[in-house]
Amino acid sequence: DIQMTQSPSSLSASVGDRITITCRASQSISSYLSWYQKKPGKAPKLLIHSVSTLQSGVPSTFSGSGSGTDFTLTISSLQPEDFATYYCQQTYISWTFGQGTKVEVK
Amino acid sequence: EVQLVESGGGLVQPGGSLRLSCAASGFPFNTYSMSWVRQAPGEGLEWISYISSSSRTINYADSVKGRFTISRDNAKNSLYLEINSLRAGDTAVYYCARCSGSTSCYWFDPWGQGTLVTVSS
Repeated sequence: DIQMTQSPSSLSASVGDRITITCRASQSISSYLSWYQKKPGKAPKLLIHSVSTLQSGVPSTFSGSGSGTDFTLTISSLQPEDFATYYCQQTYISWTFGQGTKVEVK
Repeated sequence: EVQLVESGGGLVQPGGSLRLSCAASGFPFNTYSMSWVRQAPGEGLEWISYISSSSRTINYADSVKGRFTISRDNAKNSLYLEINSLRAGDTAVYYCARCSGSTSCYWFDPWGQGTLVTVSS
């Protein structure tokens, strides 16, 4: 099984900050990497697929990069609505999520 | 508007069974594969099952294999998850999600709002 490890598990930030979340796969997953945003009581929302393709309607403040085993999600200027938990997901072999990164208000 | 609406959750005793449903609308359901994902209280997202558009390919996570059964009725635009031999560890919000293609599943979008399953005596 492919394991996905996110870091950090949580972070505190302020509106306007630039933040980066890292996701590492236990083996190469090519470009089969997606990012989701999850808020309490809400459905998960697809932000980015195929490492760096922004889903329609997602602000350009979100970006993704990486290849092979190491990937990042960057929010260039944190907005109030961005405080949430973020998950990476590999879809190379079966489907596995990272453990999540909670972005909290500083 | 593409929409997924889950139903069927509730309180069930250990060892019991439930059938979850996911009603799809706003897209050609019979051309998309689908998945179920769950989130236990305070935990992360866990993929649990996949079914291709024709039901030809079905996969399960090891944690539910042998106890859960995924199915679909393309004529009714509906996805199902039969869950048996329920344990306390199955307590979670269960989400259905549309896959990116008919036989591929490279990302999940959109997701339903979820249905809560609580296993307790």
